[in-house]
Amino acid sequence: GAVVSQHPSWVICKSGTSVKIECRSLDFQATTMFWYRQFPKQSLMLMATSNEGSKATYEQGVEKDKFLINHASLTLSTLTVTSAHPEDSSFYICSARGIGTATGNTIYFGEGSWLTVV
Amino acid sequence: QKEVEQDPGPLSVPEGAIVSLNCTYSNSAFQYFMWYRQYSRKGPELLMYTYSSGNKEDGRFTAQVDKSSKYISLFIRDSQPSDSATYLCAMIPYGGATNKLIFGTGTLLAVQP
Repeated sequence: GAVVSQHPSWVICKSGTSVKIECRSLDFQATTMFWYRQFPKQSLMLMATSNEGSKATYEQGVEKDKFLINHASLTLSTLTVTSAHPEDSSFYICSARGIGTATGNTIYFGEGSWLTVV
Repeated sequence: QKEVEQDPGPLSVPEGAIVSLNCTYSNSAFQYFMWYRQYSRKGPELLMYTYSSGNKEDGRFTAQVDKSSKYISLFIRDSQPSDSATYLCAMIPYGGATNKLIFGTGTLLAVQP
């Protein structure tokens, strides 16, 4: 199946600093990428949807100035958590929707990135 | 009422059992149906993708969709301890500009050796 890669898989940062998480579609072009947050034993919470070359659409309650999303190419989207605080510690997961009949209506997920803010 | 309802479990079965996981939905616009498996501390892995009513089989997994009843199922035959995970159903409405996935809450499955 299609592969979506996330990096880093885990990161620890100091409170007040910013951290960037990358999401890459390795073997297909992704017109749309999604960023999720997941707390322990809970389902995925959609944070934002990004389309290549345009501004991301954020879900209600998600601070767009805090969670900066950039989708600069058809294979790369980044999530930057700015001025991170301990409450931002979570599991962040990206997913990507492909182009074309093979992957066009299917959404693949990355492995996730664990963020711990100390 | 949530758009997608899924029994959260947990569901515990002995090795070799047949497992049935189910979701119901209320929005008749849902057109594409997926099942994901998520191991602890990992991202969801796509197991099955269907878009028409009926059955689709892949190895030990069978996905069933009944659009008239707004009901989907995932069957796992000869279940293995390695199948122990959270299973998420997910749906996409027809014509959605961004094809945003709508998830069920997930069912936690434990297969006992």
